[in-house]
Amino acid sequence: DIGMTQSPLSLPVTPGEPASISCRSSQSLLYSNGYNYVNWYLQKPGQSPQLLIYLGSNRASGVPDRFSGSGSGTDFTLKISGVEAEDVGVYYCMQPLQIPITFGQGTRLEIK
Amino acid sequence: QVQLQESGPGLVQPSGTLSLTCGVSGGSIISYNWWSWVRQPPGKGLEWIAEIRHDGSHNYNPSLRSRVTISIDNFKNQFSLKFNSVTAADTAVYYCTRGDYHSGWLKGAIDYWGQGTLVTVSS
Repeated sequence: DIGMTQSPLSLPVTPGEPASISCRSSQSLLYSNGYNYVNWYLQKPGQSPQLLIYLGSNRASGVPDRFSGSGSGTDFTLKISGVEAEDVGVYYCMQPLQIPITFGQGTRLEIK
Repeated sequence: QVQLQESGPGLVQPSGTLSLTCGVSGGSIISYNWWSWVRQPPGKGLEWIAEIRHDGSHNYNPSLRSRVTISIDNFKNQFSLKFNSVTAADTAVYYCTRGDYHSGWLKGAIDYWGQGTLVTVSS
């Protein structure tokens, strides 16, 4: 299995401040076609997960541009340029490249 | 807009069988997509269970394979999950999802999720 390790697991942030979440995979998610097969999701309280970033750095439809994804190979980062109250929840990275599909443990973002 | 809706019993007896169905609306299940089940124990993270395509080809999480069966009904536009010999550890919210393919049969992202259904294993 490809292990997905996120840090930190808890992230208190002041509104308007930036935030960053790291995701490290146990195997490279960079495929020979040049794409990184890692996605980011946000699960808001009481809701289903929603797609934020796909293929490493592409924002999903309707996702605010304060969210960005970067990285390659085994190291990936989700950044929020200025956290808003509506961004609270648990963030997950996920790899669809190899069976079984695996998720990170989740990073809980809370507002200070 | 594609919508997915899980249905099934909310309570299952230990050692029994958990059966769930996902109805797909707003789009055809016969599409260039993959359909899967993901579960989330209370207060915990996400675990992928299985996936299937409209042609019936499927994959399972090896850690669960011996107890799981996924199937698809193209006529009813739905897919299903059966989970045998359940224990309290199988208590979770079960989500049905749709994923897209990025290139050939390389999977991209899960782009649609159902609202989830809580299944409790208890006597």
